[in-house]
Amino acid sequence: AQSVSQHNHHVILSEAASLELGCNYSYGGTVNLFWYVQYPGQHLQLLLKYFSGDPLVKGIKGFEAEFIKSKFSFNLRKPSVQWSDTAEYFCAVWGGTSYGKLTFGQGTILTVHP
Amino acid sequence: DTGVSQDPRHKITKRGQNVTFRCDPISEHNRLYWYRQTLGQGPEFLTYFQNEAQLEKSRLLSDRFSAERPKGSFSTLEIQRTEQGDSAMYLCASSNGLAGLSYEQYFGPGTRLTVT
Repeated sequence: AQSVSQHNHHVILSEAASLELGCNYSYGGTVNLFWYVQYPGQHLQLLLKYFSGDPLVKGIKGFEAEFIKSKFSFNLRKPSVQWSDTAEYFCAVWGGTSYGKLTFGQGTILTVHP
Repeated sequence: DTGVSQDPRHKITKRGQNVTFRCDPISEHNRLYWYRQTLGQGPEFLTYFQNEAQLEKSRLLSDRFSAERPKGSFSTLEIQRTEQGDSAMYLCASSNGLAGLSYEQYFGPGTRLTVT
């Protein structure tokens, strides 16, 4: 069975700091990869996705992620965080199941201090 | 608003009671998913519909759980004889999709169930 591991449970940064959230998955076949974000009081929203092609994908609000197949990783990055990025971030993987169910990591809470 | 909607948003029930949740997906989406999320964890897949057919169920979905999507539009998730361990956020998501392919899923706000 596939699984997803997010390295950090809680990350605390100051505004303008750079961000990298780790995500590793265990599945050897074709994968589609997603990062979702959940702002306080809001529902899960798609931040970015990788299906194929360029392994460096750009999402909304200045976020990007790099798919490194050899490392089974899909780390999320942002060069300069803002207070409004405070949220919980979830990495998710579709790995070979017929109907697209997602396997999520446990989530990383990001707190950005102004 | 044309997003995924769920009702109710919060439900408090006593142990042993039955509860039913409703999900209305984005109207043109043929796939509908139910997930469960507990504190400190990511969403866990429960079950999936393509149109009105329930095509996959997780082992998390015990016999007390049943889901339907009778006309391929809205879906209901019923929990019978609730237990305290059922307390969680129940999330619904929808997407379009062809067999064998994955598409991005759009999530609703969830129904928070508390079993006392």
